[in-house]
Amino acid sequence: QSVLTQPPSVSAAPGQKVAISCSGSSSNIGSNYVSWYQVVPGTAPKFLIYDNTERPSGIPDRFSGSKSGTSATLGITGLQTGDEANYYCATWDSRLSAWVFGGGTKLTVL
Amino acid sequence: QVQLQQWGTGLLKPSETLSLTCAVYGGSFNDYYWSWVRQPPGKGLEWIGEISHSGRTNYNPSLKSPVTISVDTSKKQVSLRIQSVAAADTAVYYCARPFRNNGFDVWGQGTKVTVSS
Repeated sequence: QSVLTQPPSVSAAPGQKVAISCSGSSSNIGSNYVSWYQVVPGTAPKFLIYDNTERPSGIPDRFSGSKSGTSATLGITGLQTGDEANYYCATWDSRLSAWVFGGGTKLTVL
Repeated sequence: QVQLQQWGTGLLKPSETLSLTCAVYGGSFNDYYWSWVRQPPGKGLEWIGEISHSGRTNYNPSLKSPVTISVDTSKKQVSLRIQSVAAADTAVYYCARPFRNNGFDVWGQGTKVTVSS
């Protein structure tokens, strides 16, 4: 069982928007920055969001991040079929002294 | 542009030793703690541990497997060793570079490791 909790799956139609939640605790999300990753099966994770809200160079502004208290959210607008993937949140856990990931959310673009 | 290139044995029997190496091409090597992350089939990502260029290590205390991460600064390589593997160690293993201590921005291509008798 993962330290960070994500919904197993979300779905939406092309062009629509979706939000993926990531819930943690005071020792992880509550006190550290959150990052997000896109994982397409058979490929390495892709760095989408860092510092809760910032996008690395090359990541379109359709992807956004937010954080409130011990929860974080990844938003994706203008959904495309190419966005179908598994999405993971991650942060440092100060109590465990370890990086922790969410269990992942499978996005289906219907 | 930094690239991470991994290699290692992909098929192991239970109780054997897993050994993977990750080479860093381009960019600085000494400025980072280099991590290993794995993804078991159908499961999420799991951080294994990290190492600095000087050999200082941090391991995930939740791991049950006996893990050793080592570094060869002259070759700009980091290595992962898991002794006495079990089926639960079957996973795709990645090396990764941290981004300002908030996440990982560069990843190796991944190495699929299967433990089966």
